[in-house]
Amino acid sequence: DVKVTQSSRYLVKRTGEKVFLECVQDMDHENMFWYRQDPGLGLRLIYFSYDVKMKEKGDIPEGYSVSREKKERFSLILESASTNQTSMYLCASSLQTGDTQYFGPGTRLTVL
Amino acid sequence: AQSVTQPDIHITVSEGASLELRCNYSYGATPYLFWYVQSPGQGLQLLLKYFSGDTLVQGIKGFEAEFKRSQSSFNLRKPSVHWSDAAEYFCAVGPLTGANNLFFGTGTRLTVIP
Repeated sequence: DVKVTQSSRYLVKRTGEKVFLECVQDMDHENMFWYRQDPGLGLRLIYFSYDVKMKEKGDIPEGYSVSREKKERFSLILESASTNQTSMYLCASSLQTGDTQYFGPGTRLTVL
Repeated sequence: AQSVTQPDIHITVSEGASLELRCNYSYGATPYLFWYVQSPGQGLQLLLKYFSGDTLVQGIKGFEAEFKRSQSSFNLRKPSVHWSDAAEYFCAVGPLTGANNLFFGTGTRLTVIP
């Protein structure tokens, strides 16, 4: 079974802090994704990566950056956290283009 | 542009009753279609997917979905709902080529009453 893990289930940060969310997958998947989930808005794609050191912007990349130095790890970075970034963050991975995405358990981030 | 519509924000059914969750999509070609379920505080779990072939797809936990090209729909069904099915359900559509991401609907929250 594919396993996608996220470094924290719950995180509380202060406005202006730099925040790192880590995601690791163990199935040698090419593609990895970061989404945020907000009530009534569903899942919105922040960034995705289709290879090591490669990244593409999703629908809402503003205020975020990502890093993929190793195939199994995809990090989401909030350079200067703001209260409107309080949300649930979900990481996913997939083997190939358009393939099934496998999700981690999510990180609920609160920015005070 | 691609889009996915789940017209029902919240549905309540009695345990043992049948269930149908609606999903309509807008896409330029035959898409890949998915249904995911999210239990409270959890990530998303794949219920079933349609890539090609038989338009009636069987999934886990007794769920099935039918792809109807003429209606641009991919509705999820279960003949008899269990209390453990209470969760949020997301329909998603994936592209055949190009970008890797899936487009998700806004979700339908299912409440099951005894």
